[in-house]
Amino acid sequence: EAQVTQNPRYLITVTGKKLTVTCSQNMNHEYMSWYRQDPGLGLRQIYYSMNVEVTDKGDVPEGYKVSRKEKRNFPLILESPSPNQTSLYFCASRKGLGDFETQYFGPGTRLLVL
Amino acid sequence: AQSVTQPDIHITVSEGASLELRCNYSYGATPYLFWYVQSPGQGLQLLLKYFSGDTLVQGIKGFEAEFKRSQSSFNLRKPSVHWSDAAEYFCAVGGSGGSYIPTFGRGTSLIVHP
Repeated sequence: EAQVTQNPRYLITVTGKKLTVTCSQNMNHEYMSWYRQDPGLGLRQIYYSMNVEVTDKGDVPEGYKVSRKEKRNFPLILESPSPNQTSLYFCASRKGLGDFETQYFGPGTRLLVL
Repeated sequence: AQSVTQPDIHITVSEGASLELRCNYSYGATPYLFWYVQSPGQGLQLLLKYFSGDTLVQGIKGFEAEFKRSQSSFNLRKPSVHWSDAAEYFCAVGGSGGSYIPTFGRGTSLIVHP
């Protein structure tokens, strides 16, 4: 079954404690991205990756890092989380840059930073 | 800069009634337009998209949308709503002029009364 998986699904942490949210896809997609969803703001893209070792900033990259060492994985790293990073995070993948019809979203990770 | 406006935060309809969700966009060139649905606790699922050609686009689950360039709109419609359609709906705009980063609207929450 084609899918994007994220772990953990729920996370409560404290300010400054580094954390990683993993994302994995099994469709051999080249393009992967991270979004955050906040009430009244819709989804905003944090980072994206067009292929292995190719990453770039989205609209709201501050406070986040990513890496793409393997095609299937695209972890989101918060080096020093702050309360304003409390949000619902979605990972997404699609076949290529313009292949929106192939885009899959993960189930989401709800993060609370105290 | 591209932007999307979904003027209705909540829409309430009775089961069996028709539905129209509004979406207005701002984009400097020919836009790519999308509608996504997010069921509670789930990721986003693509309902339909418009890239070019016929301005009336058919999607999954009986939804359709009409692109009206003169009004900068891409409204989503369904002739008869089912209780299972209750969800959050997001309109998004993207395009070939940039990096294919889609901009999402704030979302419209659909409530269906029996």
